[in-house]
Amino acid sequence: DTAVSQTPKYLVTQMGNDKSIKCEQNLGHDTMYWYKQDSKKFLKIMFSYNNKELIINETVPNRFSPKSPDKAHLNLHINSLELGDSAVYFCASSHRGQYEQYFGPGTRLTVT
Amino acid sequence: AQKVTQAQTEISVVEKEDVTLDCVYETRDTTYYLFWYKQPPSGELVFLIRRNSFDEQNEISGRYSWNFQKSTSSFNFTITASQVVDSAVYFCAALLGIINNDMRFGAGTRLTVKP
Repeated sequence: DTAVSQTPKYLVTQMGNDKSIKCEQNLGHDTMYWYKQDSKKFLKIMFSYNNKELIINETVPNRFSPKSPDKAHLNLHINSLELGDSAVYFCASSHRGQYEQYFGPGTRLTVT
Repeated sequence: AQKVTQAQTEISVVEKEDVTLDCVYETRDTTYYLFWYKQPPSGELVFLIRRNSFDEQNEISGRYSWNFQKSTSSFNFTITASQVVDSAVYFCAALLGIINNDMRFGAGTRLTVKP
């Protein structure tokens, strides 16, 4: 069974569109995250959610919004996509008190 | 600034060589956690190890070993007798804000092991 899953794995879309990436974890973790990995492999945290509460909100554009319907899901919505949004987006989860994060397989977003 | 530095951008070795990946961190906190992750060519991020700031004991897991030294703010990773399957990008990371889960990643070191 996949611990952290993301859909879709690949997403190709045009500028200006709105898209969502879904993430689910079956590890029973209480915190979930979204990361962006750029073309140079640099990983930057975007958001984290704990018990439906936003803990970190890095300086990302407000076109990006996380939505967590429950502890096992943290979806990423992106409005008005721009070329610079092209990247690999990783979802991750962790259990408070253990701290290591487990990552999903990533979603490669290409904006044309 | 609190951050993680991996000075080695790329390393290339021949199979069976030992290789050490360097990681230096900066933090004002007394409690923090350090990690290593592996990203193979397939793209997933694989958790390798966690080390707490109050535990400087080094760790060995098979061909992998980690050297944590608070005096030099370093958390280095050594692969002994490297294999082609070790080829990947390796990330050092630090949880520098326990309350807000502020995880910072280094820029990564691309390791290529040639047969």
